[in-house]
Amino acid sequence: QKEVEQDPGPLSVPEGAIVSLNCTYSNSAFQYFMWYRQYSRKGPELLMYTYSSGNKEDGRFTAQVDKSSKYISLFIRDSQPSDSATYLCAMIRPMDSSYKLIFGSGTRLLVRP
Amino acid sequence: DTGVSQDPRHKITKRGQNVTFRCDPISEHNRLYWYRQTLGQGPEFLTYFQNEAQLEKSRLLSDRFSAERPKGSFSTLEIQRTEQGDSAMYLCASSPSTGVYNEQFFGPGTRLTVL
Repeated sequence: QKEVEQDPGPLSVPEGAIVSLNCTYSNSAFQYFMWYRQYSRKGPELLMYTYSSGNKEDGRFTAQVDKSSKYISLFIRDSQPSDSATYLCAMIRPMDSSYKLIFGSGTRLLVRP
Repeated sequence: DTGVSQDPRHKITKRGQNVTFRCDPISEHNRLYWYRQTLGQGPEFLTYFQNEAQLEKSRLLSDRFSAERPKGSFSTLEIQRTEQGDSAMYLCASSPSTGVYNEQFFGPGTRLTVL
């Protein structure tokens, strides 16, 4: 069983829809939670980073962490065709002095014009 | 462009050949990471450098893989006697070492195809 589980999709939504992307994890040692966006044939780029449980908002993006359920979410409001990409959740265990990222498998999102 | 750069962007090789990839991190970043990403999967950690010291290696990094970061600047990842299972995107990332958590900035990756 993978430490971080993520539905691979693809998820297809019309432009303007609210998108919900989710990950679950099994190790309570994870303390830092990130969402990366990856366009085709590009490296991942950081969208959001959270540490504590609760919500964090940045423009059209909201990251949500529920440590008690080991569940994190990314919401995208007013989705745009330019949001079409693969969204990767990633986590860090502070005990790993390297702070290496443990990624989910990614969810492909397609926003239809 | 002051981001992370990787060279080459694409590499096609025959099984059994050796290949070497280069990563140039953001200049002031002390930490450097290599990840491997296969189709439909998220990146998987391979190895980590703090300056020139290689401090952690994944079990994914078999004896055929070797990574270096001389002088704590650029890094190279070499794969000897390539196998078809080595076909993947090899991603490099760097981050500063100050603070508890720092964003890892990724390069565009080197896509390896082993025929």
